[in-house]
Amino acid sequence: GAVVSQHPSWVICKSGTSVKIECRSLDFQATTMFWYRQFPKQSLMLMATSNEGSKATYEQGVEKDKFLINHASLTLSTLTVTSAHPEDSSFYICSATGRVRGTQYFGPGTRLLVL
Amino acid sequence: EDQVTQSPEALRLQEGESSSLNCSYTVSGLRGLFWYRQDPGKGPEFLFTLYSAGEEKEKERLKATLTKKESFLHITAPKPEDSATYLCAVQPSIQGAQKLVFGQGTRLTINP
Repeated sequence: GAVVSQHPSWVICKSGTSVKIECRSLDFQATTMFWYRQFPKQSLMLMATSNEGSKATYEQGVEKDKFLINHASLTLSTLTVTSAHPEDSSFYICSATGRVRGTQYFGPGTRLLVL
Repeated sequence: EDQVTQSPEALRLQEGESSSLNCSYTVSGLRGLFWYRQDPGKGPEFLFTLYSAGEEKEKERLKATLTKKESFLHITAPKPEDSATYLCAVQPSIQGAQKLVFGQGTRLTINP
């Protein structure tokens, strides 16, 4: 149980284009989903928290207009990197939880390379 | 400010050599402490949740313990497949907040 999927697992795009990453909870309803970014050999950096049907809460320093988050249903959240630049290249990971005190279950991650 | 510090940063052990990883934390109030395992290029895999001091949980060769200031992940007779980065995270008990504060992780290598 508690499986979270992400799609795509790998994406390469040209500078200036937008990229959408999907995060799905496969076997439970996720009241809250989280988006993280991870640089090589570093820990996870929380970007934003999203609750189903409401606007995402972004961490300090994360550009809302650049990283668009939509949590359209209890099983799906999307992260869109708009006008991507090489410095946006990173490993993006989502997680989901079904309860207030609940454990966060992580997806397998999406590696983004912007050329 | 809520903070999590893991030690050591990296640890190399021989197969069968037991050891412990440390996670020290300072938090205004602890809702839960979480241990995850992360393999290279993959998302973290959930291992344990601990909620109160004195609590212990076990899974195969791993055992997690919790005090009011730190948590230990004990690894007994490890095997090469236990090689990974182990992440510790705390969830502060701020009302409405569910986010985790992560430590930097311990990179564990088990040599055959």
